[in-house]
Amino acid sequence: SQTIHQWPATLVQPVGSPLSLECTVEGTSNPNLYWYRQAAGRGLQLLFYSVGIGQISSEVPQNLSASRPQDRQFILSSKKLLLSDSGFYLCAGKQTGGPYEQYFGPGTRLTVT
Amino acid sequence: KNQVEQSPQSLIILEGKNCTLQCNYTVSPFSNLRWYKQDTGRGPVSLTIMTFSENTKSNGRYTATLDADTKQSSLHITASQLSDSASYICVVNTGFQKLVFGTGTRLLVSP
Repeated sequence: SQTIHQWPATLVQPVGSPLSLECTVEGTSNPNLYWYRQAAGRGLQLLFYSVGIGQISSEVPQNLSASRPQDRQFILSSKKLLLSDSGFYLCAGKQTGGPYEQYFGPGTRLTVT
Repeated sequence: KNQVEQSPQSLIILEGKNCTLQCNYTVSPFSNLRWYKQDTGRGPVSLTIMTFSENTKSNGRYTATLDADTKQSSLHITASQLSDSASYICVVNTGFQKLVFGTGTRLLVSP
């Protein structure tokens, strides 16, 4: 099975500062990768997904961007954080080729102050 | 619009009691349905998966049911334990890249 690593676990950043969250995957090659955000008391919102290196699909217009520089590395970034970017960010990976399970990372709690 | 609705939003039960969580979905196409357990501050972990042709699936004290005709699923927890306190999320897979998530039921098992 896959293992999804995320860091940092928690982050407190001031408004206007940049952001970089990293996700790496073990246990599979060429996975589909996903970034989700979970606001307090809300469901998971898909932000980005990637089916391969350099291939990024954005689900919602926002202040964030994603990149996939390597097969098993997925990065979530922002040039200038907004208060509304606060939330719990989850990276997930899925084996390609079918409706396989998405494995989730431990998440990053981001607080923008 | 693809939607997954869960009820109740939150639930408190005494340790040792049973409970049932509900999930109604309007998702098309339908590939499978999973129930995830999410501990506070952690990523979701899959409990069960059911395809269109399956109507019940068990994983220890967790039993999920699926009625594809009425587009309803339930998760039954037997003999609850304190460690069952978590959010339970119903997720429908359309077979493409994206999942449709419910907002979850927050369960608190009280001693």
